[in-house]
Amino acid sequence: DTAVSQTPKYLVTQMGNDKSIKCEQNLGHDTMYWYKQDSKKFLKIMFSYNNKELIINETVPNRFSPKSPDKAHLNLHINSLELGDSAVYFCASSLFASVLPGEQYFGPGTRLTVT
Amino acid sequence: AQSVSQHNHHVILSEAASLELGCNYSYGGTVNLFWYVQYPGQHLQLLLKYFSGDPLVKGIKGFEAEFIKSKFSFNLRKPSVQWSDTAEYFCAVFNTGGFKTIFGAGTRLFVKA
Repeated sequence: DTAVSQTPKYLVTQMGNDKSIKCEQNLGHDTMYWYKQDSKKFLKIMFSYNNKELIINETVPNRFSPKSPDKAHLNLHINSLELGDSAVYFCASSLFASVLPGEQYFGPGTRLTVT
Repeated sequence: AQSVSQHNHHVILSEAASLELGCNYSYGGTVNLFWYVQYPGQHLQLLLKYFSGDPLVKGIKGFEAEFIKSKFSFNLRKPSVQWSDTAEYFCAVFNTGGFKTIFGAGTRLFVKA
């Protein structure tokens, strides 16, 4: 059984389009994250939700909007896609900081290519 | 600002060679430390972690890391690498005050058969 799943795995789209990436975890975790990994493999936190509440919001363009309908899901919607948005986006989940601080489980990633 | 530095961006070793990857962080408060591994085409997986206690921690696949508080370091080691260890290795630091995990830039390890 997949612990953290993301769809789609690959996403190729044109500049200016709007797209969404979905993430689901079946680990019973209450905290979920979105990371962006650029072409140099640098991994940067974008957002974190705990029990559907936004707790980390890094300096990310407001074209990126996360949505957490419940604590098992965290989706990422991107408006007006730009070439610089091309990257691999990883979803992750964990138990809240008071339990196992920082130990995260990652999804397989979504490779977004903007042309 | 808190940062995590991995000194080696690319490492090439022959099989059976010993490995040490450096990791230093800048935060002075209480931290939890991690090493994650990303095999080619795969997602990140936890290799080992340090929360408290014995500063020498052992992880999966023969890896270990030593936390040296005075040096703000958490170096990863393996006495004898295998071709299957070829991967990207990320050091990560969880800041217990800010509830945020900061990742290093990663070290790409290539092991020659």
